[in-house]
Amino acid sequence: GAGVSQSPSNKVTEKGKDVELRCDPISGHTALYWYRQRLGQGLEFLIYFQGNSAPDKSGLPSDRFSAERTGESVSTLTIQRTQQEDSAVYLCASSLWVGTGSFHYEQYFGPGTRLTVT
Amino acid sequence: GIQVEQSPPDLILQEGANSTLRCNFSDSVNNLQWFHQNPWGQLINLFYIPSGTKQNGRLSATTVATERYSLLYISSSQTTDSGVYFCAVETQGGGFKTIFGAGTRLFVKA
Repeated sequence: GAGVSQSPSNKVTEKGKDVELRCDPISGHTALYWYRQRLGQGLEFLIYFQGNSAPDKSGLPSDRFSAERTGESVSTLTIQRTQQEDSAVYLCASSLWVGTGSFHYEQYFGPGTRLTVT
Repeated sequence: GIQVEQSPPDLILQEGANSTLRCNFSDSVNNLQWFHQNPWGQLINLFYIPSGTKQNGRLSATTVATERYSLLYISSSQTTDSGVYFCAVETQGGGFKTIFGAGTRLFVKA
């Protein structure tokens, strides 16, 4: 596609419910990232996918958070048993991986999903 | 882990003024990006600049990787430049985590 897309754009859920957020990366981008941004704060890295390699999950804040990606396409971030502290904007980004040099080109961000837990 | 510090945290400018934003990082990095987050929350790519100097219109950036800092210059500021400016670095070794600084919040007055 033309850019990174995310859905839904807004999600309001009750405490204790599970939510699933979706990210469609730019076609051909092998690397995909999820971030969390709390109100008025910077971006926190959550998880990184690169092709078929094992994902880097080191930023996931608890075992209630998980993410999947099928090949080099769509990714879903799942938050189980949501808590009020999970309220934030969840941002997804994708980039091109240059394997021969072991680095990434620039990341492009989607518009985010604003999650509100009541 | 790597630390990314941005300064100043807040900046108020009169339209037409120039400014310099700074990003310091504590370890070697694979790459560095500058982003502008507009008031609607969208992150806009400004520069991908692991080293050297780049210019794009009124904006330019310089990264001195050996001294672990990057500078973003905004000249002849406009009200549309308002928002938060982030630098982000990709770490070396142990994966490809991206660490963002806390940002510089810029407000340009008409």
